[in-house]
Amino acid sequence: GQQLNQSPQSMFIQEGEDVSMNCTSSSIFNTWLWYKQDPGEGPVLLIALYKAGELTSNGRLTAQFGITRKDSFLNISASIPSDVGIYFCAGNQAGTALIFGKGTTLSVSS
Amino acid sequence: DGGITQSPKYLFRKEGQNVTLSCEQNLNHDAMYWYRQDPGQGLRLIYYSQIVNDFQKGDIAEGYSVSREKKESFPLTVTSAQKNPTAFYLCASSMLTPGQGRREKLFFGSGTQLSVL
Repeated sequence: GQQLNQSPQSMFIQEGEDVSMNCTSSSIFNTWLWYKQDPGEGPVLLIALYKAGELTSNGRLTAQFGITRKDSFLNISASIPSDVGIYFCAGNQAGTALIFGKGTTLSVSS
Repeated sequence: DGGITQSPKYLFRKEGQNVTLSCEQNLNHDAMYWYRQDPGQGLRLIYYSQIVNDFQKGDIAEGYSVSREKKESFPLTVTSAQKNPTAFYLCASSMLTPGQGRREKLFFGSGTQLSVL
């Protein structure tokens, strides 16, 4: 079946640093979504992308839908302690259910 | 407030017991989903439903059952056939928009942690 490869698996950064994570798929996707999950809670949608090449920002977060339609990245600028959590990418082809990457665990030290 | 409510937050299952996890949404969303999350793993789809009285198996449906008698509700039963039920279970819903393809945005509940006694 389809697979999403999300990297890195974990990151340990200092407050104020920028962060970049990405997802690649074995198939062309129509949709890329990025979520953040706090411990013991459900994931919260950060950014939704629907068009190849699309670049969308949400505050300090920026995500892009890759031109090949097989990848997406998420950048966080000037990280703060509350950015700590697990970030998931998700995507799908037309007519299929979303599949999720395994997540990137972000730790921020002040 | 509009949203997705999962209950209970914590649930314990005894050997051989069936347990049911509740999921209710008041967002008027068409589709509802159940995912299982294990530590260090992504979210794996158990079942999903796009309309009332219809549902489809996901990637790991064995040992689980669902019903969709009302648009607002999508309960998940973890049966005794599921030998490794300890996990964090997440319910989600989305609005399916005709004419825009499958532009799904899933919105999640706060999850139920199921553990085996």
